[in-house]
Amino acid sequence: NAGVTQTPKFQVLKTGQSMTLQCAQDMNHNSMYWYRQDPGMGLRLIYYSASEGTTDKGEVPNGYNVSRLNKREFSLRLESAAPSQTSVYFCASSYGTGGSSTGELFFGEGSRLTVL
Amino acid sequence: SQKIEQNSEALNIQEGKTATLTCNYTNYSPAYLQWYRQDPGRGPVFLLLIRENEKEKRKERLKVTFDTTLKQSLFHITASQPADSATYLCAPRVRVSNAGNMLTFGGGTRLMVKP
Repeated sequence: NAGVTQTPKFQVLKTGQSMTLQCAQDMNHNSMYWYRQDPGMGLRLIYYSASEGTTDKGEVPNGYNVSRLNKREFSLRLESAAPSQTSVYFCASSYGTGGSSTGELFFGEGSRLTVL
Repeated sequence: SQKIEQNSEALNIQEGKTATLTCNYTNYSPAYLQWYRQDPGRGPVFLLLIRENEKEKRKERLKVTFDTTLKQSLFHITASQPADSATYLCAPRVRVSNAGNMLTFGGGTRLMVKP
């Protein structure tokens, strides 16, 4: 049982290049999330998908796009990378987000992105 | 604006003592709050959840309190061990829409337990 799997683990990009971070979960969770973590800033929500077929913006969505490919997979795309997007990116999943759901988040191991 | 504050300075304690970490929040009233542990180079791992109508929650050597009047949660590790050394994140719930409740994370406090 792998949980949440992210690829790649490390990536170096030049300003203006594009790339996609992949995330897959095998826990049959409905909701998936992308966070970024910067020193002293905590985890900040970029986009989330409450259920298959829906996506919504989080706290810091500018410069990113997402695709909920199916129930298992949620990808994050940087169309034109900027140095400000240098960060550690975490994908997470949970059983639900709506109503009284208090579902804990299960995180991947992170993808470390450097934009030069 | 909504704000979550955790002590950004590392907490250094001696093995066997009780570690107490603080999470303060302002400008909202979360219905529940979660605590996570994060080791260097790893993703956060869920530890405990406490609801607004619960004053205290325990799990083995861990204890969490939730004071909605003070807008504060305290996280205690009793009989601390070097293996408890990690960064601990608090995450109060934020309602972002009628469809969703999101977790918003504090910056975390690094705990160092010395033998």
